[in-house]
Amino acid sequence: DTEVTQTPKHLVMGMTNKKSLKCEQHMGHRAMYWYKQKAKKPPELMFVYSYEKLSINESVPSRFSPECPNSSLLNLHLHALQPEDSALYLCASSQKYQGLLTYEQYFGPGTRLTVT
Amino acid sequence: GESVGLHLPTLSVQEGDNSIINCAYSNSASDYFIWYKQESGKGPQFIIDIRSNMDKRQGQRVTVLLNKTVKHLSLQIAATQPGDSAVYFCAENRKEAAGNKLTFGGGTRVLVKP
Repeated sequence: DTEVTQTPKHLVMGMTNKKSLKCEQHMGHRAMYWYKQKAKKPPELMFVYSYEKLSINESVPSRFSPECPNSSLLNLHLHALQPEDSALYLCASSQKYQGLLTYEQYFGPGTRLTVT
Repeated sequence: GESVGLHLPTLSVQEGDNSIINCAYSNSASDYFIWYKQESGKGPQFIIDIRSNMDKRQGQRVTVLLNKTVKHLSLQIAATQPGDSAVYFCAENRKEAAGNKLTFGGGTRVLVKP
């Protein structure tokens, strides 16, 4: 199984709502990532988790709150978002994060988020 | 290629011809490079990677060339097919103090004409 799954596929939320994005992988990977992708732009790194611990936060606003409850799951909790946060949110995983070698990242299909 | 504003550079290619997509990277300390293909409505799909101790790597119908002297990466697709139509991103792994970061180039749209 070389698949990263993400739910929901689409999400529309108001600026006062609280919602969560979910990501799951069963490849035994110990690194998981959140990226944000705006239309016609490349993905931009938001967070990196390595062995369920937050390794990198790319100065992401606190209205985005990541959580890694176990090695297979990654959540992104959303609260008080702005319309400019509308984007495709991509989850990825890799075998490891740090070390001598760099490992390829496998991406999920993304969640298309619209903030109204 | 590099994106300019909201317009992705586009490569139009006839079905059956070879495609070459170019990418310039910025960090001479980057040690690992990946090419991803992204179709509309989907996440990036791994195509091929190359480490900085190599200058060429071949896959099925694809070849990646790395020129570290001029910090240039290219992806060659042989006998391009309609299913190759997508946006292609190069990505470099940058080793920074905070950790490794995969940084994507602007993307190139490939349109395959039948």
